Amino acid sequence: AQKITQTQPGMFVQEKEAVTLDCTYDTSDPSYGLFWYKQPSSGEMIFLIYQGSYDQQNATEGRYSLNFQKARKSANLVISASQLGDSAMYFCAMILTGNQFYFGTGTSLTVIP
Amino acid sequence: DTEVTQTPKHLVMGMTNKKSLKCEQHMGHRAMYWYKQKAKKPPELMFVYSYEKLSINESVPSRFSPECPNSSLLNLHLHALQPEDSALYLCASSQGEQSNSPLHFGNGTRLTVT
Repeated sequence: AQKITQTQPGMFVQEKEAVTLDCTYDTSDPSYGLFWYKQPSSGEMIFLIYQGSYDQQNATEGRYSLNFQKARKSANLVISASQLGDSAMYFCAMILTGNQFYFGTGTSLTVIP
Repeated sequence: DTEVTQTPKHLVMGMTNKKSLKCEQHMGHRAMYWYKQKAKKPPELMFVYSYEKLSINESVPSRFSPECPNSSLLNLHLHALQPEDSALYLCASSQGEQSNSPLHFGNGTRLTVT
């Protein structure tokens, strides 16, 4: 069963605008972590932001923020003030106990000048 | 610069060759991973080592053989590969049994099997 779902295969955003990338997850474990990774065309996977299941506040890291809605099991990534360098694949991931990481299918983001 | 180092960056090998991919981290992480990634797809987990012991083997064909010589090093030995094994191979590490510990990835090895 799919544990992480990203329903947007491709997204476009105008430079300097904000964009939201969707992610929903499925687990009955009370303890889990949610991550977002960026993968440019060069291939490296870059860790962006983390949200723990017990965290009360939404995580923020610079221009990245995570809109965590626990009851809806969603962990959307918001990128503010998009830049051309933000064009990349973005993967949502979840970790459960036992070092089990699950990745979503990814969203390809293109920033338009 | 990534703190997980993978070599080589690119590898072209024939189906009868034997080669090895190498991964090194010096962050004191106790879990190390091999992932395989095809273009425009998410990484697929192959192996997990936790405290230098193989803890997860995701039904990977025996032509892929992992090895963890010590807590900083992780190898993937390749033998008799098929063209469909061509992919980006990513190594990653994490602190271990903690749900708030992200994976730190290397830059990957782009493998082409001819």
